[in-house]
Amino acid sequence: GESVGLHLPTLSVQEGDNSIINCAYSNSASDYFIWYKQESGKGPQFIIDIRSNMDKRQGQRVTVLLNKTVKHLSLQIAATQPGDSAVYFCAEGVTGANSKLTFGKGITLSVRP
Amino acid sequence: KAGVTQTPRYLIKTRGQQVTLSCSPISGHRSVSWYQQTPGQGLQFLFEYFSETQRNKGNFPGRFSGRQFSNSRSEMNVSTLELGDSALYLCASSPLEDYGYTFGSGTRLTVV
Repeated sequence: GESVGLHLPTLSVQEGDNSIINCAYSNSASDYFIWYKQESGKGPQFIIDIRSNMDKRQGQRVTVLLNKTVKHLSLQIAATQPGDSAVYFCAEGVTGANSKLTFGKGITLSVRP
Repeated sequence: KAGVTQTPRYLIKTRGQQVTLSCSPISGHRSVSWYQQTPGQGLQFLFEYFSETQRNKGNFPGRFSGRQFSNSRSEMNVSTLELGDSALYLCASSPLEDYGYTFGSGTRLTVV
């Protein structure tokens, strides 16, 4: 069935280094993708999204890359800071009346000072 | 601009009881979605409402239901609670369909 998965359950990085979080998706009909960050006790916070007609999108310190050929999505965080420590989710959706996001399991990013 | 507000934040219920959770979307947002989050299953889609109509429903039993009011506020109800219903229930709103969902902080439901 449809699924969105993450390759690694945890990621530990040194403060100041760049982080790369990967995600695989299986629904070839998905045409938009979102990365969310969830801190303890809070709901998921929107980070960045990308449509399937793009392969790269940049935000503030974050870049999302989309490779539709291999159904792969990644989130790059530049100069990782302690405040980036959280659980990160990728989500996929299909434009139309579907109006449903399918989330990956989540990966914990831990930033070492 | 106020975010998505969910009430209550915490709830403890007994098996067999029913519960109603509330969500107030961001002003102007017409789409409201509900998700269940558990450590084992992650975030799972429950249902989505747009202009008071349920447009999509996830794979949950009929004990889970929802509705949306004319002011876009939404409620979800779970009847005959089971221990496995213990979870964080998240509401998300969007001005348009299909993207830009903003989540609330959730309601933590514990069934004992």
